[in-house]
Amino acid sequence: QLQLQASGPGLVKPSETLSLTCTVSGDTISSPDYYWGWIRQPPGKGLEWIGSVYYTGSIIHNPSLRSRVTVSIDSSKKHFSLRLTSVTAADTAVYFCARRGSGHDGNDGFGVWSPGTSVTVSS
Amino acid sequence: QSVMTQPPSASETPGQRVTISCSGSSSNLGTNTVNWYQQLPGTAPRLLIYSDTQRPSGVPDRFSGSKSGTSASLAISGLQSVDEGDYYCGAWDDNLNAWAFGGGTKLTVL
Repeated sequence: QLQLQASGPGLVKPSETLSLTCTVSGDTISSPDYYWGWIRQPPGKGLEWIGSVYYTGSIIHNPSLRSRVTVSIDSSKKHFSLRLTSVTAADTAVYFCARRGSGHDGNDGFGVWSPGTSVTVSS
Repeated sequence: QSVMTQPPSASETPGQRVTISCSGSSSNLGTNTVNWYQQLPGTAPRLLIYSDTQRPSGVPDRFSGSKSGTSASLAISGLQSVDEGDYYCGAWDDNLNAWAFGGGTKLTVL
């Protein structure tokens, strides 16, 4: 059974870089049927998609976050990662990693999620 | 500001049926399929409905989805206290070039 676990520092200083890793267990990370992504949820607010990576390394990210976002995948280590540069208090949120269907079978939903990991941006 | 609009709250008594709406536009619901997510307090979201009307394995048939034009709905029948939580619609938006979520609806079972 697929499980995802997001990990990383819970506290990041303003202007620094937030780095998170999502470890995949119970299934392959190299399937052409799925994308691997990051979604965040600021305190008391809704969901915001950050970016996704395909097993080939192909990346799409939310244009609203401009060039601050990098998503990468390491199939040999069965994990994918998020880097968000120049963070501010607005980046304080619970971060989730998730697997999304590629849509080949009609399912393009985020079907498997990690427990959230809380990140606070503060000096 | 979300590109898909949901009512901030909904409520109904146990055993009854409740419907949650999601209003979008031609760049999201009008062109692409909608997914629905349930987020119980303190937990990660869970995919309830994909491709407008399809339930993933393990989701009870009390949950159903529909879509017409640029609006979609999630219906929950036989409401139970365990259904209390937040519900989000989600879809790809062709203008944003991004996955978008509605603002969420907080469901209270009275």
